[in-house]
Amino acid sequence: GDSVTQMEGPVTLSEEAFLTINCTYTATGYPSLFWYVQYPGEGLQLLLKATKADDKGSNKGFEATYRKETTSFHLEKGSVQVSDSAVYFCALTNTGNQFYFGTGTSLTVIP
Amino acid sequence: EAGVAQSPRYKIIEKRQSVAFWCNPISGHATLYWYQQILGQGPKLLIQFQNNGVVDDSQLPKDRFSAERLKGVDSTLKIQPAKLEDSAVYLCATSRDRALQETQYFGPGTRLLVL
Repeated sequence: GDSVTQMEGPVTLSEEAFLTINCTYTATGYPSLFWYVQYPGEGLQLLLKATKADDKGSNKGFEATYRKETTSFHLEKGSVQVSDSAVYFCALTNTGNQFYFGTGTSLTVIP
Repeated sequence: EAGVAQSPRYKIIEKRQSVAFWCNPISGHATLYWYQQILGQGPKLLIQFQNNGVVDDSQLPKDRFSAERLKGVDSTLKIQPAKLEDSAVYLCATSRDRALQETQYFGPGTRLLVL
């Protein structure tokens, strides 16, 4: 069945460091891929998405490219801030719009 | 645009008790989802509604969990009786439709602790 595997955390970075959180997926057909972010005490918020191969989603300085050849959707940011501290979830949706989430990667950015 | 509303935000009950959660979707959103998020894990879909009909409840433990979406708007999720392993955050999400690639919008969740 469809599934998402993402890099385990927790990840701790210094402010202005480069961030990569790996995500790979298994799916039939042509899924859409998402990154959601969950700040402490809050619900999940959509960070970015890509709906077809080679699409790049971007938002708030974060980027991820839909790579069908490597079945990956890695999240990157060139310079993280303390306010980026959160849990990040990779997800996919396929036919019927059922979402499959990864286990989440906790990011802590220290000043 | 108002977001997805959920209540209560927190609930503590003893095992074998009953509990109910409520969700109010974004206006006009036809599709509604309930997820269970256990600490340290990603959300797991429990049930999906399209308007007031159930589309997918294959992962809902039907011996103790039930959900309804009367009139195709608000929804309630009930657990009766609760078990210790039901301690989790219960998330409600909605989308405009079941069509592929529709973004799901999440509520803040209800954090349940079963003692």
